[in-house]
Amino acid sequence: GAGVSQTPSNKVTEKGKYVELRCDPISGHTALYWYRQSLGQGPEFLIYFQGTGAADDSGLPNDRFFAVRPEGSVSTLKIQRTERGDSAVYLCASSSNREGRLNEQFFGPGTRLTVL
Amino acid sequence: AQKVTQAQTEISVVEKEDVTLDCVYETRDTTYYLFWYKQPPSGELVFLIRRNSFDEQNEISGRYSWNFQKSTSSFNFTITASQVVDSAVYFCALSEETSGSRLTFGEGTQLTVNP
Repeated sequence: GAGVSQTPSNKVTEKGKYVELRCDPISGHTALYWYRQSLGQGPEFLIYFQGTGAADDSGLPNDRFFAVRPEGSVSTLKIQRTERGDSAVYLCASSSNREGRLNEQFFGPGTRLTVL
Repeated sequence: AQKVTQAQTEISVVEKEDVTLDCVYETRDTTYYLFWYKQPPSGELVFLIRRNSFDEQNEISGRYSWNFQKSTSSFNFTITASQVVDSAVYFCALSEETSGSRLTFGEGTQLTVNP
């Protein structure tokens, strides 16, 4: 079966622009996560969805970041008024277990965002 | 607050050597989970192992083994007879019961296995 997919694989934008990053989880996985990985660092948690609702959005750095998952499957991470510091690889993961931590999170290949 | 420390930024070995990657964690929870992930040059994180805080048994999977010691808050990873294909960044991660499903990652260890 297909793994977690993310589009686009690369996104270059200018400072101040709006971007959307898409994640398609493994079919049937109810839990979906977004992480951000800066160069040379480990991934940092952004937000976790269980079904359609955001169960934990405490990792979103500020109100320029927003994510949705309207039908409980595909999720979109939206970044408004992008800044150079937003440049990173944005990783999506999904899990089949409600609690997430009990089963491994399967990660997608990531979207590399570059803000010029 | 939860924290994971991987003190080794980079390790370089010659093929067939054994290598141990260190991981030290901090948590106030009594129930937590520890993970290791591999990130090859392609970039996709690959799950290797999950261990819960109540199971201190060491685990072996082929050339991989893990040593979990609650007394020292460590969860070290050993690769026996390393191969070039083992070259990757390895991340240790922690999930606390009180923090839900979020994973807190260490900064990673870049392992290079030279032929």
